[in-house]
Amino acid sequence: QKEVEQNSGPLSVPEGAIASLNCTYSDRVSQSFFWYRQYSGKSPELIMSIYSNGDKEDGRFTAQLNKASQYVSLLIRDSQPSDSATYLCAVKGDRGSTLGRLYFGRGTQLTVWP
Amino acid sequence: DGGITQSPKYLFRKEGQNVTLSCEQNLNHDAMYWYRQDPGQGLRLIYYSQIVNDFQKGDIAEGYSVSREKKESFPLTVTSAQKNPTAFYLCASRQGKEGQPQHFGDGTRLSIL
Repeated sequence: QKEVEQNSGPLSVPEGAIASLNCTYSDRVSQSFFWYRQYSGKSPELIMSIYSNGDKEDGRFTAQLNKASQYVSLLIRDSQPSDSATYLCAVKGDRGSTLGRLYFGRGTQLTVWP
Repeated sequence: DGGITQSPKYLFRKEGQNVTLSCEQNLNHDAMYWYRQDPGQGLRLIYYSQIVNDFQKGDIAEGYSVSREKKESFPLTVTSAQKNPTAFYLCASRQGKEGQPQHFGDGTRLSIL
């Protein structure tokens, strides 16, 4: 059973602050990691993919990966009220019968207040 | 426009009835997936298919069935054996190339009458 754990939240930050979302995973061989944003009542939308240790930046979003610690995070700089959503961490299965599957955390609900 | 189309957006099921949720993609993706999401919960995998005419059970396949007769289509049937079908159903697809992310349709919300 693959486990993906996210900080439970909800997380509330003021507009303009940095929001930090964290995720740990259990399978050491995993190589592909994704962050999805899900607005209330809508489907998940991919916002970041990361495959190598270190940081990956895309606009206001930075994904950080540390495979040794089995840890992946998402930083949102200059948070805006429009960033208020649930953020889902997903880890790709990379062994045997898990190939082709994504394992999702339960999500962290973020609220950015004006 | 390329994308994943789920229909209907809302669906109501009567007791003892089977219902089928449609998922069509024109992205030429090899793999397709069905998830269930309950309020405040994460995504749970029902079935997935990595190639035409083949599919595998996910974590909660009981009470559901699928087919994959065409690359672009992966319909999900919620059978009367599924006693608690009320949920948000999400279809996703992915390119066959290793490491590619899944992309989601807009979802179907199923309720019991």
